[in-house]
This record gives sequence, structure tokens and C-alpha cells, in this order.
Amino acid sequence: GENVEQHPSTLSVQEGDSAVIKCTYSDSASNYFPWYKQELGKGPQLIIDIRSNVGEKKDQRIAVTLNKTAKHFSLHITETQPEDSAVYFCAASDGGSYIPTFGRGTSLIVHP
Amino acid sequence: GAGVSQSPSNKVTEKGKDVELRCDPISGHTALYWYRQSLGQGLEFLIYFQGNSAPDKSGLPSDRFSAERTGGSVSTLTIQRTQQEDSAVYLCASSPMAGQRGTDTQYFGPGTRLTVL
Repeated sequence: GENVEQHPSTLSVQEGDSAVIKCTYSDSASNYFPWYKQELGKGPQLIIDIRSNVGEKKDQRIAVTLNKTAKHFSLHITETQPEDSAVYFCAASDGGSYIPTFGRGTSLIVHP
Repeated sequence: GAGVSQSPSNKVTEKGKDVELRCDPISGHTALYWYRQSLGQGLEFLIYFQGNSAPDKSGLPSDRFSAERTGGSVSTLTIQRTQQEDSAVYLCASSPMAGQRGTDTQYFGPGTRLTVL
């Protein structure tokens, strides 16, 4: 089955800095890679996703890049703000499963 | 429209008691998932329902855990003879499954925080 590794587990940045979270996956058949943001006391919410037919996708301050050859994908947040503080999860869905595999999460702390 | 709702939001129970957790998915979503999230941990898959197909129970940790989905909508996760290690946040998610398998966005509920004393 699929295995997703996520790093770092904790990331602390100053407001205005950029933050990068990286995930690697094992199944070359994976074709869908969502990122979720989980605020304290809430369920995860999708913030951006990418499919295997593109290498990069941007949405305002958030971008995701995908390297299928190396089997890794990354979340980039620019101009971080305190409200970006949350736990971020990556996930990968392989071509034969209805069940995505999640990374263990990254706790992002943005200091004002 | 309304998102995924879960009830109760918090549940405190004594070891050995049974508990039922409820999930109301987004109307029209055919796929429903249950996950468990222990403190500071990732999402542990428990069970998956898709339409009228037999559920995928491969993530259930023991036979004390069961789930059903009535009428293709509301789902109930039941934990029998609860143990302290069952303490966690139980998350439900639904998905429209309108696209390719495994590629649809999951919409999560707020979770039920279960504490077993």
C-alpha cells in the first residue's frame, strides 16, 4: 500500500516569512495529492490539491509543487500570517484505492 | 449549504461502557469515511462506505468497533466495552465520489472528542 512521509513535524516561523512542508509517497500510481489545514478543535479542511498531470498549482499565498519522478510534493505558504498557524496534513491517493493515505501532520506556528 | 455534522461534540464515558458516535454527511455525498485522531497524531483510517457497496472495514482496530450507514446517509460508529486507549477525536468525512476513484475531495466534520475514564 501507499506510504506517506511528512516533514517537518513542527515548523516555527516569523510573520511574513515563507513556510515549506514536504511530503514523499511510495506508490507511483498515486495521482491525487490534497493538503488539509486543521485548526484547533476543528476538522481538517482542504486548502489546495494537485493532480498528477500538473507540476504546480497556486492559490494566492499558497502553492503546491509535485515531482512525480522523485515522488514528492510540497506545500509553500508565502507571507505567513498568525492565522496560518495550524496543523497541516498532506495525503496521497493511489489509482486503486478509495482511501487516501495521510501524512502525520506538521504543526505550523507563525509568530507575530 | 450545510457541511458534515457530528454528534456529540464531546463524550466522556467510563471504561467498559458502549458509546455511539453519529455523523451526518453532506446531502448527496455517496462516500463516507471514519477516522481516529489521537492527541498529536495523524489520521488513522477506520472504515469507508460507498453507496450500497459493502463497507471497507480494514482499518477497524478490533471487533469492539463497528459502524453502519442507514439509507446511504447518516452513519453511526459504535465502540463496545470502551478502553482508555480508545480516547481520541473521531472524525467523519464525506465525499461526492463524482470523479475518479480516490480523487475526490473529502469534507470533514468537526469531530467527536471521546474520553474514556
